[in-house]
Amino acid sequence: DAGVIQSPRHEVTEMGQEVTLRCKPISGHDYLFWYRQTMMRGLELLIYFNNNVPIDDSGMPEDRFSAKMPNASFSTLKIQPSEPRDSAVYFCASSIGTSLSTDTQYFGPGTRLTVL
Amino acid sequence: AQSVTQPDIHITVSEGASLELRCNYSYGATPYLFWYVQSPGQGLQLLLKYFSGDTLVQGIKGFEAEFKRSQSSFNLRKPSVHWSDAAEYFCAVGSNTGKLIFGQGTTLQVKP
Repeated sequence: DAGVIQSPRHEVTEMGQEVTLRCKPISGHDYLFWYRQTMMRGLELLIYFNNNVPIDDSGMPEDRFSAKMPNASFSTLKIQPSEPRDSAVYFCASSIGTSLSTDTQYFGPGTRLTVL
Repeated sequence: AQSVTQPDIHITVSEGASLELRCNYSYGATPYLFWYVQSPGQGLQLLLKYFSGDTLVQGIKGFEAEFKRSQSSFNLRKPSVHWSDAAEYFCAVGSNTGKLIFGQGTTLQVKP
């Protein structure tokens, strides 16, 4: 398996523009997670899905952020409009389940977003 | 609330020396504890995890960690560090909903 795939790997945009980050989870994994990593706040969970349904979006910072999972093999995280404080590395992860004793979260390589 | 503290932001060790990265957690019940490693430009990779049983856990790449309930700690160790171990290391605690809460990370630099 190719692992979790994220695109683009790097994104540079100007403030006010819409940004869309993409993720393809590992085939057969029912859970998909979006994380954001910043120097100030470290690695924080934004939202996660189970079988394409959002389960917990309490980490989504504000209404400018939205995430969708239209099918089991694709998810997007959209920021509209983007702001410089959104600059971060965004990780996608997937797992078979959420049993922490048996199910490991596998992380993608991340998308480094820079908003000018 | 659950939380994880990694007291050391940056550590430098010489190649071949031993390593210990500290992690303290706050959790009301028996925790699920994890160590992940992030190499430059890569995603996080699971090194090891603890959820029950033997308090000394063996992981990949020669790492081990010891769970000490009395100290609320889960420190990561390696007897002899290799240059390829230079990376950022994250400790995490798992909640009963399956969510992971990460520490701020420790950056390891290895001197030749």
